[in-house]
Amino acid sequence: GQQLNQSPQSMFIQEGEDVSMNCTSSSIFNTWLWYKQDPGEGPVLLIALYKAGELTSNGRLTAQFGITRKDSFLNISASIPSDVGIYFCAGQRGNQFYFGTGTSLTVIP
Amino acid sequence: DGGITQSPKYLFRKEGQNVTLSCEQNLNHDAMYWYRQDPGQGLRLIYYSQIVNDFQKGDIAEGYSVSREKKESFPLTVTSAQKNPTAFYLCASSIIGETEAFFGQGTRLTVV
Repeated sequence: GQQLNQSPQSMFIQEGEDVSMNCTSSSIFNTWLWYKQDPGEGPVLLIALYKAGELTSNGRLTAQFGITRKDSFLNISASIPSDVGIYFCAGQRGNQFYFGTGTSLTVIP
Repeated sequence: DGGITQSPKYLFRKEGQNVTLSCEQNLNHDAMYWYRQDPGQGLRLIYYSQIVNDFQKGDIAEGYSVSREKKESFPLTVTSAQKNPTAFYLCASSIIGETEAFFGQGTRLTVV
């Protein structure tokens, strides 16, 4: 099965800094999703993107669906300690979802 | 509240024993999925089901079995044939034709 290329694999940042992570694929997707997972918990949906070129915000989070439909990025502005966790991208095609390998974010107070 | 419930959260089993993980949803979703998560890896699809009494193998179905007797329930059995069963297991559901999947809180299985 296909796994998406997500980068960076991990990030260590100071509180207040902005964060950017991205996901690429060799295949086209109909929808891009971004999830956050806390340790020992299930992923929680942060943002869903439905159209190529779409730029969507959710509070301090901003995500974009790439024009080619093969990539997406997620930005977090003014990071805070509770942003710590693993962030996953997912592409949806048909009735299946394909996941990135995750970006582990550590925020240093 | 609507949601997906996985139980138990932690499960310990002896090697060679079958074990069943529960997943229940009251979101009225048609599709349900089981994923396995290992450290440093993304989610890998074990099985999925789009309708009652029907299910399809995912990428790593060997050593696992499922049933879908009710729309709300999609239990996963980890059999003794699974060579490396210790992992974090996630159940998800979605509406057919829609594009968002929602997850349960996961079950951590440890086989000793």
